[in-house]
Amino acid sequence: NAGVTQTPKFQVLKTGQSMTLQCAQDMNHNSMYWYRQDPGMGLRLIYYSASEGTTDKGEVPNGYNVSRLNKREFSLRLESAAPSQTSVYFCASSASGGPDTQYFGPGTRLTVL
Amino acid sequence: GESVGLHLPTLSVQEGDNSIINCAYSNSASDYFIWYKQESGKGPQFIIDIRSNMDKRQGQRVTVLLNKTVKHLSLQIAATQPGDSAVYFCAVASANDYKLSFGAGTTVTVRA
Repeated sequence: NAGVTQTPKFQVLKTGQSMTLQCAQDMNHNSMYWYRQDPGMGLRLIYYSASEGTTDKGEVPNGYNVSRLNKREFSLRLESAAPSQTSVYFCASSASGGPDTQYFGPGTRLTVL
Repeated sequence: GESVGLHLPTLSVQEGDNSIINCAYSNSASDYFIWYKQESGKGPQFIIDIRSNMDKRQGQRVTVLLNKTVKHLSLQIAATQPGDSAVYFCAVASANDYKLSFGAGTTVTVRA
């Protein structure tokens, strides 16, 4: 099992460009999450999907959209990137609804110039 | 919302000694507590978790202690090794809530 995979690993964008971060899990988990991590801070939840077909806003959703493509895949889209979105983005998944262990991918390091 | 804080942002420990990392949370309805380890350039890795109906749980070389009275959580690492050098995060969730609230992290450095 690969667990949670993310692509790309690194990306540099210019202000105003768009891109989609991809995430997939092979653990048959129901719930998936997108976080961002900034220096000296913990992870902050951007969006989550409790189950296939549902998505909800987290703590910092502005400037992002998500798609739960199927049970395995959950993508994060930046429509018009801004320098404030420079961060490391992590995808995670958990087996069930309610509080449960979340398993994280390796991250995507995004720089917006 | 939930506020999660760590007592010390950094911890330096001698190899072979025990490490204790502390975490405080604000919501008395918090039900689930989890510790993650993050090595440089990698995603957070699950270490151990505990639910509110317990006050202690042990894993391999790690112990989590939960004091609900003072809303305090700690992670103890026995016989700390160089491979334990990393950033450690605590995270907290309330019952029936998907969302984990993370602390800012404690950087542990192991001295040889």
